[in-house]
Amino acid sequence: GEDVEQSLFLSVREGDSSVINCTYTDSSSTYLYWYKQEPGAGLQLLTYIFSNMDMKQDQRLTVLLNKKDKHLSLRIADTQTGDSAIYFCAESIRSSSNTGKLIFGQGTTLQVKP
Amino acid sequence: DVKVTQSSRYLVKRTGEKVFLECVQDMDHENMFWYRQDPGLGLRLIYFSYDVKMKEKGDIPEGYSVSREKKERFSLILESASTNQTSMYLCASSRPDRIAPQHFGDGTRLSIL
Repeated sequence: GEDVEQSLFLSVREGDSSVINCTYTDSSSTYLYWYKQEPGAGLQLLTYIFSNMDMKQDQRLTVLLNKKDKHLSLRIADTQTGDSAIYFCAESIRSSSNTGKLIFGQGTTLQVKP
Repeated sequence: DVKVTQSSRYLVKRTGEKVFLECVQDMDHENMFWYRQDPGLGLRLIYFSYDVKMKEKGDIPEGYSVSREKKERFSLILESASTNQTSMYLCASSRPDRIAPQHFGDGTRLSIL
């Protein structure tokens, strides 16, 4: 069945780069997404990548997609304490009624130490 | 500023009660979603609505129902609350061309005693 896997925890020092990894199983995914959840808040859509792209860059964020290995990563350059949050990756799949839906990973907690 | 508003941040109810969670969005979005968030499990889709009075079951609809009488409002109903429904509930919305939820509410932490 569909599954999205992430490591649960990552700790980095302020100013370093963070790399959050994700693997997924459905090869027919059209879009893959990264969401950020700050403490006590809902999720915020950070960025997404179309499945025929290898890379997408948006300011400090770089998304890399290896479709062959079904591996997605989010790199945050110059990580700041405000980046401390839970990061979720999600893949889009077709549901049984042919509408789309997302499958979310478990979330990676990013801890940024001053 | 666009907003998805959930009526309660914290809610405590008793087993067997009928519980209503309300969600309102001000972006005129057709799509609205209810998710449940549990530690180590990520988000799981309970129900999805793509228009007024239209709904589709998600991955874990058992024990829940929904109501969408107006475009801006999407209600989640726990017909007879049970302790295994203690969780964080998140509402979200998106435009009709987007299957991915774009805007989330801040969540309702529901405890069933």
